[in-house]
Amino acid sequence: GAVVSQHPSWVICKSGTSVKIECRSLDFQATTMFWYRQFPKQSLMLMATSNEGSKATYEQGVEKDKFLINHASLTLSTLTVTSAHPEDSSFYICSAGVGQPQHFGDGTRLSIL
Amino acid sequence: AQTVTQSQPEMSVQEAETVTLSCTYDTSESDYYLFWYKQPPSRQMILVIRQEAYKQQNATENRFSVNFQKAAKSFSLKISDSRLGDAAMYFCAYRSYLYGGATNKLIFGTGTLLAVQP
Repeated sequence: GAVVSQHPSWVICKSGTSVKIECRSLDFQATTMFWYRQFPKQSLMLMATSNEGSKATYEQGVEKDKFLINHASLTLSTLTVTSAHPEDSSFYICSAGVGQPQHFGDGTRLSIL
Repeated sequence: AQTVTQSQPEMSVQEAETVTLSCTYDTSESDYYLFWYKQPPSRQMILVIRQEAYKQQNATENRFSVNFQKAAKSFSLKISDSRLGDAAMYFCAYRSYLYGGATNKLIFGTGTLLAVQP
């Protein structure tokens, strides 16, 4: 069964709305989780590393104030897309794991109208 | 910084035939992991095979095998007896051998879209 649960799987909302995506590790504790973004027919690009109990580490070019990450417990990381606009529409996917391999959530398809 | 390159945007293979997907990478590290992931239209990320760089023996998983050439920094995936269900996007990925924190992140290639013809 799935060891990383991601919710919601699909969200459609109006421009200007903030959207929260959850990533949960189901049967292990994850001090670190990763958030990726994938545009159609492109690769997964790492957005940020989520660290339990401390600030996330963002990749170059990723807006910290736009993509808020909170990792308040050892089993949950959240990504909030604030004031989302159509250009934020994409597929967002998280991963977590102790060692290898990393386990991926099933992803969230975000559509901003 | 590490990079992963997949030079074949698209490949096609006949059902039951064999196909090889190419991947090269660049790193200054001596120990690391390499992976092939499959992403079908559902967009789930499915681990196909992994290789530890310190192991000389090429990894195999049923119909999937790799040709790992460490000196050449090459890591190709061979799919034997191709099936219709193998049609998907395939990503090559790199991970540092160092344990913990941000070092667990995966660096992906641009992907190869594999079509399987009946």
